[in-house]
Amino acid sequence: GENVEQHPSTLSVQEGDSAVIKCTYSDSASNYFPWYKQELGKRPQLIIDIRSNVGEKKDQRIAVTLNKTAKHFSLHITETQPEDSAVYFCAASSESGGYNKLIFGAGTRLAVHP
Amino acid sequence: DSGVTQTPKHLITATGQRVTLRCSPRSGDLSVYWYQQSLDQGLQFLIQYYNGEERAKGNILERFSAQQFPDLHSELNLSSLELGDSALYFCASSARDGKTLNTGELFFGEGSRLTVL
Repeated sequence: GENVEQHPSTLSVQEGDSAVIKCTYSDSASNYFPWYKQELGKRPQLIIDIRSNVGEKKDQRIAVTLNKTAKHFSLHITETQPEDSAVYFCAASSESGGYNKLIFGAGTRLAVHP
Repeated sequence: DSGVTQTPKHLITATGQRVTLRCSPRSGDLSVYWYQQSLDQGLQFLIQYYNGEERAKGNILERFSAQQFPDLHSELNLSSLELGDSALYFCASSARDGKTLNTGELFFGEGSRLTVL
């Protein structure tokens, strides 16, 4: 069945460094790839998304790249700040009966140390 | 505030019991999704509804069922509860219908934390 693998499960960086989280997906028909951030005890919130007709998208300090051939996509956070500390989830769409369901990765716990 | 309301926020019950979790989507959103998040786990997709009809299904147990009502609120029913059902259950809504090429941002509620003792 459809599956999304996410690495690493934990990531610790110093403030100002970059952080990279990688995901691979199994459904070659996937066409939508969002990233969600979940702060401790809070709900997941969308931070950036990319569609299959685009290879890269940037929004200030965050960027996402997509390689459809290899079926992997990555989240890049530059100039990390302590408030970037959270769990990040990647997701990939998977079609079922004409409708997309979002399959999430297991999450990456990012810790940014001052 | 995402505009998605979930009740109850916390629920403690015993094995074998049945509970109902309720979700009110953002005003105007027709799509409702249910996800299960166990301790330190990812978000497991359970089921999606669009305008009252089931549209997509994940690995939802037979002991679990859901529905979306004409006023668009949704309920997730969990029966014959087991210890392993303890988790945070999220509801999310979307303005899009979720059809292929029309998937967009999901707005999550605060979740209902279920503890089965």
